[in-house]
Amino acid sequence: DAGVIQSPRHEVTEMGQEVTLRCKPISGHNSLFWYRQTMMRGLELLIYFNNNVPIDDSGMPEDRFSAKMPNASFSTLKIQPSEPRDSAVYFCASSFQNTGLPMQFFGPGTRLTVL
Amino acid sequence: EDQVTQSPEALRLQEGESSSLNCSYTVSGLRGLFWYRQDPGKGPEFLFTLYSAGEEKEKERLKATLTKKESFLHITAPKPEDSATYLCAVLGGYQKVTFGTGTKLQVIP
Repeated sequence: DAGVIQSPRHEVTEMGQEVTLRCKPISGHNSLFWYRQTMMRGLELLIYFNNNVPIDDSGMPEDRFSAKMPNASFSTLKIQPSEPRDSAVYFCASSFQNTGLPMQFFGPGTRLTVL
Repeated sequence: EDQVTQSPEALRLQEGESSSLNCSYTVSGLRGLFWYRQDPGKGPEFLFTLYSAGEEKEKERLKATLTKKESFLHITAPKPEDSATYLCAVLGGYQKVTFGTGTKLQVIP
C-alpha cells in the first residue's frame, strides 16, 4: 500500500496567491482529515470528512480556507488569498471508521511558505 | 474545549537511561487517548490507543499507561533510533481529536 499521498511536498508562494493542496487517502478508508502543524500551536485539526461529507469544519481558521472531497480517493485544501501566517506544514490523514477507535494514517505533509 | 498538555517539551537521555513522558488532558467524555511518533519531515505514526483508566499497552521499549487525568509513555533502555517527537492526542465526546504539542526526545549514544 502506498499510504496517504500528498502533493506538492513543498510550496512557496507570495502573499495573495491561491494555494491548493492535494491528498489521496488510503484505498478503502472512509474518513479523511486535514491538519495544520506549527511550532507554536502544534497539530490542529482543520476539517474532517466521513464518506466524502464534511462533518466538522470548526477548525478552519477563516473563510479564506476551503476543502472539498469530490470522491473517496481525492481531497483538496485551498487557501485564497494566502497570507504569511498561513505558513505551516499541512497534513492529510485517513482512517477506516467502523467500530471502535480507528487509528489515523498520516501523509508526509506539505510544507507551505507564504512570502 | 478539550485540552492536552505534554511535558517535558524536550528530553535528552543517554542510551539505556529509562524515563517517562507525560500527557495531561481535560476532555468531556474521553473516548480514547492516542500516542504517535513523529520523525523530522514526516507525518505522525500511530503507536497506541488507550480506552480507559488502568489500561496499559506495550510495544518494544515503549509502554503507555492511562489514568483519569493523564497518560504516561515509559521508555525503557532507549536507543538512539527512539529519538523523535512523541505526540499525545485525545478523542472526546464531540468526536474531535485534539493533539498536544509533543515531547521532543533525543537519545544520545
